[in-house]
Amino acid sequence: DTEVTQTPKHLVMGMTNKKSLKCEQHMGHRAMYWYKQKAKKPPELMFVYSYEKLSINESVPSRFSPECPNSSLLNLHLHALQPEDSALYLCASSQEPGSNTGELFFGEGSRLTVL
Amino acid sequence: AQSVAQPEDQVNVAEGNPLTVKCTYSVSGNPYLFWYVQYPNRGLQFLLKYITGDNLVKGSYGFEAEFNKSQTSFHLKKPSALVSDSALYFCAVRDMTGGYQKVTFGTGTKLQVIP
Repeated sequence: DTEVTQTPKHLVMGMTNKKSLKCEQHMGHRAMYWYKQKAKKPPELMFVYSYEKLSINESVPSRFSPECPNSSLLNLHLHALQPEDSALYLCASSQEPGSNTGELFFGEGSRLTVL
Repeated sequence: AQSVAQPEDQVNVAEGNPLTVKCTYSVSGNPYLFWYVQYPNRGLQFLLKYITGDNLVKGSYGFEAEFNKSQTSFHLKKPSALVSDSALYFCAVRDMTGGYQKVTFGTGTKLQVIP
């Protein structure tokens, strides 16, 4: 199984809503990532989890709250978002965090629209 | 900090012709370089990587890339383009921040293969 599965594929929410994005992988990868991608732009790193612990937070606003319940799951909790937060949110995983292999395996993304 | 640059926003090539998508890098130490492809409304897919060794790297879907240390380049190539190769291509570099892997992407190049 070489897939990273993200749900939901599409999400529309108001600025006062609370919602969550979910990501799952069963490749035994110990590093998981959240990226944000605006249209026609490169993915921008938000968070990195290594061995289920948050290792990198790229100064992301607190209205985005990541969670890694176990080695296969990664969540992104959303609260009080702004319209400019509308984007494609990509989850990715990779093998051992310190490994030289380096390639990321991406999910299909969750397209978020904030009204 | 490690970075990559993609000088072309868009590359147009006729079907059956060879294609080149350019990438230059700026790194301290040994470069770990990657190419990813993104089809519309999809996640990114890994194509190939350069870690060490042979300067010509072969990857998925008939793509290859040539690592050139003197020119600090890592151009993506394919001998004969297909219409289905039309997509957004990202060059990327791996960085280690505090012992944890971080991947930074170039700005992307849209490849249009014309039938």
